[in-house]
Amino acid sequence: AQSVTQPDIHITVSEGASLELRCNYSYGATPYLFWYVQSPGQGLQLLLKYFSGDTLVQGIKGFEAEFKRSQSSFNLRKPSVHWSDAAEYFCAVETYSGGGADGLTFGKGTHLIIQP
Amino acid sequence: DTGVSQDPRHKITKRGQNVTFRCDPISEHNRLYWYRQTLGQGPEFLTYFQNEAQLEKSRLLSDRFSAERPKGSFSTLEIQRTEQGDSAMYLCASSAMTSGTSYEQYFGPGTRLTVT
Repeated sequence: AQSVTQPDIHITVSEGASLELRCNYSYGATPYLFWYVQSPGQGLQLLLKYFSGDTLVQGIKGFEAEFKRSQSSFNLRKPSVHWSDAAEYFCAVETYSGGGADGLTFGKGTHLIIQP
Repeated sequence: DTGVSQDPRHKITKRGQNVTFRCDPISEHNRLYWYRQTLGQGPEFLTYFQNEAQLEKSRLLSDRFSAERPKGSFSTLEIQRTEQGDSAMYLCASSAMTSGTSYEQYFGPGTRLTVT
């Protein structure tokens, strides 16, 4: 069965510092991978996605992620964080059955705290 | 594009009562998904529709849960005989899916259910 692991429950970063959030997945086929962000009281917003091709993908708000098949990882990065980046971040993998793409399997999330 | 909408945003009910939530997807999206998110966890996939057909429902949490999408537009999720363990955020998402190709899911703001 597919699974997503986000090993860091909380991460604290100083404003202006770089950020890397880790994500490892377990899935037997070529994965479709996503990062979503959830701010308090807000819905999930898609930051970026990997379907195929270039393993370094760019997203919104200055985020990027790199797909590494050999490590089963899809880590999210940002060179310089802003206070408004404080939120919950979820990594997800899309799963498949006979009917095509199905639902997303999410990790438990990483809570990002920004220090002034 | 008005986004995915969900109604109500909050629902408080007594244990044993039935509740129904509504989701209106982005108008041109043919796929609609339901997820449940409990505190401190990532969203958990429940079921999805392609047009009016419910293609996956084995992940619904119990036979007290059911979903419909009668005309391939809006969807409802019903929970019968609610239990305190049903307290959670219920999220709806939609996507455009053609010929087995995946497109990203867009999430609504969710309905927060509290069972007392």
